[in-house]
Amino acid sequence: QSALTQPPSASGSPGQSVVISCTGTSSDVGGYNYVSWYQQHPGKVPKLTIYEVTKRPSGVPDRFSGSKSGNTASLTVSGLQPEDEADYYCSSYAGDNNPVVFGGGTKLTVL
Amino acid sequence: QVQLVQSGAEVKTPGASVTVSCKASGYRFTTCAIHWVRQAPGQGLEWMGWINPAKGYTKYSQKFQGRVTITTDTSASTAYMELSSLRSEDTAVYYCARPYTCGIDWFDPWGPGTLVTVSS
Repeated sequence: QSALTQPPSASGSPGQSVVISCTGTSSDVGGYNYVSWYQQHPGKVPKLTIYEVTKRPSGVPDRFSGSKSGNTASLTVSGLQPEDEADYYCSSYAGDNNPVVFGGGTKLTVL
Repeated sequence: QVQLVQSGAEVKTPGASVTVSCKASGYRFTTCAIHWVRQAPGQGLEWMGWINPAKGYTKYSQKFQGRVTITTDTSASTAYMELSSLRSEDTAVYYCARPYTCGIDWFDPWGPGTLVTVSS
């Protein structure tokens, strides 16, 4: 069982928006602004998509955005495109004794 | 640019140990931690531990404490992850990764991954 809870699947049609949630506790997501999101296409290496809750690395389209409220972080993908179909994982800092925790992943399908 | 290159696929029998290497280039190796993350077939990402190459300080996930050892050879800009007492559930792709921002644990780049298969 993963430390952070994500829905196993999400879907949307091209052009639509989708929100993927990531629920933790006050000891991880809620306690720090150190939430990140990774996109992983099948057979590929995870790619950093969002860091520090809301920031995008260079090269990541601004269709991807992040937010947080309480113990739940969210990744919003706007204007869905076929290439957005992938698995998405959230991650959070969870204190010095357990610095990195991941969510179980969400499979995003573009219909 | 920052690049991580990992050693090749391994096949091991239950009870054996495996060592995966991760050679870094494009930056000063001692300035940033190296983390190890694994992914079992069809499963999610699982953090294993990290090392500070400058000081040799390590932190391991409680799940792997006692079975995993992460080391570095700073002269070769290479990190190593050894996992012992292998069982079939350890079959996974093992990734090394460097923090995008040194000192904070979000990762970019990642190594290409090393498939470790544990089978009798």
